[in-house]
Amino acid sequence: DAGVTQSPTHLIKTRGQQVTLRCSPKSGHDTVSWYQQALGQGPQFIFQYYEEEERQRGNFPDRFSGHQFPNYSSELNVNALLLGDSALYLCASSFQSAANTDTQYFGPGTRLTVL
Amino acid sequence: TQLLEQSPQFLSIQEGENLTVYCNSSSVFSSLQWYRQEPGEGPVLLVTVVTGGEVKKLKRLTFQFGDARKDSSLHITAAQPGDTGLYLCAGARNYGQNFVFGPGTRLSVLP
Repeated sequence: DAGVTQSPTHLIKTRGQQVTLRCSPKSGHDTVSWYQQALGQGPQFIFQYYEEEERQRGNFPDRFSGHQFPNYSSELNVNALLLGDSALYLCASSFQSAANTDTQYFGPGTRLTVL
Repeated sequence: TQLLEQSPQFLSIQEGENLTVYCNSSSVFSSLQWYRQEPGEGPVLLVTVVTGGEVKKLKRLTFQFGDARKDSSLHITAAQPGDTGLYLCAGARNYGQNFVFGPGTRLSVLP
């Protein structure tokens, strides 16, 4: 049983470019959340997808957008990249994450570097 | 300002020592979680606490949720090098809301 997988592992982009990161949730999970973790910091919540819709959103600009597919996999898109977007992007999956006691399973992350 | 503060920021101890790390906030949380994150990996959930004053034990790790549900502590007994990692606390203020993470405590246990 595969856990949460993310691709690519590492990515280097230049300012102004656009990037798409991908996440496949753990088998049986239907909810995907995305986090940004800057170096030396804790993860910051970007948004959560359930039933192919954005259910919650953190304090991130509209340059950050996402999508969830019928198979529950998800993409995170970032437009007009800034140097400050350099971070580890984490995907977490859970089952019907409306309950705060639900367990989130995190993927290994995608390390994005913006030059 | 951080919604959740963690202390200490860094901790380096010898194998076999005991330690406590703290997670504090001025806000009340409906639930709080502790995670451990190792280099190159995502965070792994250790425990969820939901009741004020609750104490949970996981082998050598003891977690406590403050009576007022504003703070929490993690105590490790007889630390081992395998305990090395970034310890993160995360709190949800209301039922159904996303979890907010603290900045973490980076623990290094030397053999």
